[in-house]
Formats: sequence, structure tokens, C-alpha cells
Amino acid sequence: LAKTTQPISMDSYEGQEVNITCSHNNIATNDYITWYQQFPSQGPRFIIQGYKTKVTNEVASLFIPADRKSSTLSLPRVSLSDTAVYYCLVAQGSYIPTFGRGTSLIVHP
Amino acid sequence: EADIYQTPRYLVIGTGKKITLECSQTMGHDKMYWYQQDPGMELHLIHYSYGVNSTEKGDLSSESTVSRIRTEHFPLTLESARPSHTSQYLCASSEYSRQGEDIQYFGAGTRLSVL
Repeated sequence: LAKTTQPISMDSYEGQEVNITCSHNNIATNDYITWYQQFPSQGPRFIIQGYKTKVTNEVASLFIPADRKSSTLSLPRVSLSDTAVYYCLVAQGSYIPTFGRGTSLIVHP
Repeated sequence: EADIYQTPRYLVIGTGKKITLECSQTMGHDKMYWYQQDPGMELHLIHYSYGVNSTEKGDLSSESTVSRIRTEHFPLTLESARPSHTSQYLCASSEYSRQGEDIQYFGAGTRLSVL
């Protein structure tokens, strides 16, 4: 199973772009990269998923370099409501992914 | 949006009681999971299931048990609750997409307090 490494915490200000990088050095060929967001006292919520290059949806962008050993979640123009924990998972098929500690993002006014 | 429901949302009980936390999903997902999470801490997988009659233990040892008799239902039972079981319990389900990756959908959780 690919293990992921993320920063424990990050701080930002309203209106800024936030980039959270996840390292997954031993990612397998068939693994996908998935990011989740979790607010206090709630279950995690799916944000975005990708395999290579760039994926964008209405919430975020996901950048994956050619070697796929890392990925970067980009949140454009964050607001206070983006304060949450963000998890990077790597898994494929029947494997059970591990959430880890995630990155605690605090957005300041 | 996912349809996965957990009941009760909050439960306060005394030591030694038997409890069952309910989890149901209406999406027909084969895979279901139970996680335990303390405030501000990481999620720990305690049980998962690949489908009916399949149950597996997760990374974190737990005194709880689960059953999967129907696809949509994945209850978690504690035979004798103790204060150390106080935590939030999150249920999730997932299915394979066309490309083979899983996306997990979570319920709102059950916050358990054992006195």
C-alpha cells in the first residue's frame, strides 16, 4: 500500500490560494489519488480524485507530476469556511486506503 | 449526494451496557466501513466489509463486532460498553467507479459517551 505524507497544519488568509502537497513515493501503477475534506464533528467528504496531470472541478484542482510521487491540492481564493482537515489517500481497487492524520488548514480573516 | 445514515447521532450510556450503532446506505454499495475518531485525532479503521457475509477487522483493534447480512445495512455492536469506548464512530460506503478507484461516502457519525 502506498503511504502518504502531508504537512500537519497550514495557515492562510481569506482570498488566498492554498496548495497542500502530499508525498506518495511508492505509489503503484494502478493507484488513484483522492482528497477528502473533514469539518469538526462530521465525516470526511470527497473533494477530488485524479490519476495523472491535472484535474479540476468546481471546488479544487489537483496537480499530479509525471512521476506521480506527489500531488498538490489547490484551493483557489479560500474563505473561512474552508477551515478543515484535508486528507490525501492513495488506493486502487480492492485495497483499503488509510486516511492518516491529514493537514489541518486554518483560514484567518 | 450520498445517502448513508447513522443512528443514533448521540448516545450516552452506562458502563456494561450492550449497544448497537446502526448504519444504512441506499446506494447499493458493496463496500462498507466503520471508523473511530477522537476529537482532533486521525480516523482509525476498525471494521470493513466487501459485501454480504464479508467482515474484516481494520487497522485499529476494537472490542466491537459487525455483521453484514444485507447489502444496505452494517451495524456495529459493543457487547459491554466501557468509558474507553467513548469516541465518534463514522460509517462509510464505497463502490468501484469505471476506472476502478473508490470514493467513500460518510454518514454524519455517532458520538458515543460511556459513563
